[in-house]
Amino acid sequence: QQQVKQSPQSLIVQKGGISIINCAYENTAFDYFPWYQQFPGKGPALLIAIRPDVSEKKEGRFTISFNKSAKQFSLHIMDSQPGDSATYFCAAYGGATNKLIFGTGTLLAVQP
Amino acid sequence: NAGVTQTPKFQVLKTGQSMTLQCAQDMNHNSMYWYRQDPGMGLRLIYYSASEGTTDKGEVPNGYNVSRLNKREFSLRLESAAPSQTSVYFCASSEPGLATMETQYFGPGTRLLVL
Repeated sequence: QQQVKQSPQSLIVQKGGISIINCAYENTAFDYFPWYQQFPGKGPALLIAIRPDVSEKKEGRFTISFNKSAKQFSLHIMDSQPGDSATYFCAAYGGATNKLIFGTGTLLAVQP
Repeated sequence: NAGVTQTPKFQVLKTGQSMTLQCAQDMNHNSMYWYRQDPGMGLRLIYYSASEGTTDKGEVPNGYNVSRLNKREFSLRLESAAPSQTSVYFCASSEPGLATMETQYFGPGTRLLVL
């Protein structure tokens, strides 16, 4: 019930392409879904987040798509750049635990 | 503002040795967390402190202890290190509320190798 499943584990995209990372959850009490970005040797940092009352949120080249009925959400990176190469974690928050539950991460490599 | 700071950055221990990982934040946050990051397993919560004076176990607390020294500082102690504790350890802090929801701010991490 508390798991957040993330796929793929790794992703290689050509510069200018679209990167898509998917996550799924079970606990319907989750009410906040952030994505964190982590560069090598650094700590994760909040990238973008969404609440379940909207189906999409866009910030620059980054978009979260949210499907409440399917209990799935995804991160889309448009016009992917080599500087986007990093590990991306989805997460979910809410319910009785009031803790962030993280996915297992996706290592994205954008080739020039 | 320095945000969340962690010391040391790197550490090598022998099995059975003890050590304390230090974490401090200057954002006046009430909540602080310790995670470990292992390949393919994401970020797993070890312990957290919702506010000064309180601590609670997370997903993987065995082999660890914590101390919330004051509002700024939250330390993680390994009493008798084991090779399975080889990992990257992250400290984080947050101020839960309607505006920020659960935005956690992470430190740079401590890379620990137990031989």
